[in-house]
Amino acid sequence: QQQVKQSPQSLIVQKGGISIINCAYENTAFDYFPWYQQFPGKGPALLIAIRPDVSEKKEGRFTISFNKSAKQFSLHIMDSQPGDSATYFCAASSHSGGSNYKLTFGKGTLLTVNP
Amino acid sequence: DAGVIQSPRHEVTEMGQEVTLRCKPISGHDYLFWYRQTMMRGLELLIYFNNNVPIDDSGMPEDRFSAKMPNASFSTLKIQPSEPRDSAVYFCASSPLDRGATQYFGPGTRLTVL
Repeated sequence: QQQVKQSPQSLIVQKGGISIINCAYENTAFDYFPWYQQFPGKGPALLIAIRPDVSEKKEGRFTISFNKSAKQFSLHIMDSQPGDSATYFCAASSHSGGSNYKLTFGKGTLLTVNP
Repeated sequence: DAGVIQSPRHEVTEMGQEVTLRCKPISGHDYLFWYRQTMMRGLELLIYFNNNVPIDDSGMPEDRFSAKMPNASFSTLKIQPSEPRDSAVYFCASSPLDRGATQYFGPGTRLTVL
């Protein structure tokens, strides 16, 4: 059973536009929600993360919005640049019940930013 | 710091052969994770260790897969015998002891089983 559902699978945005990627989860025990960025031929790297005690976190052009009641969170990339073209993964983990640090990943979104 | 080191970067082997993938985590990190990435299944956690002890191996697909961590600076993932459906990119990641700590991924090993 997929515990973190990510959409869309792919996204094409013009330079300067806003990229939005959405994720939904089922396990209410999840309490840590990171986003990872992966370039071709590289391993995923942490981009930004949020905990459920806040509804939004912003780092530069990247913002996570979190809706605990809806069990959804999203990544917004403002002023998208061609260098942002990569695959983005949302993830979630729970730190209760002995399953510490085990991340469940979404299937990924391939973002292409056209110049 | 050199980051997580994986070797080899590419491996091509024939069905039935034994394959060993290697990982050196970041010094001082307490957790080590092995993932498999395919187009169909995405990024899957295979197994993870805490202080060299396997904690959760529920993601290991079958008995052909085994992983060890003999010390804090080295881990192996072995597939014996290998099958074409094992073709994937295998990532190792490490993490320091902290609630919700970042996982630092290596560059991956691209495995092709013919």
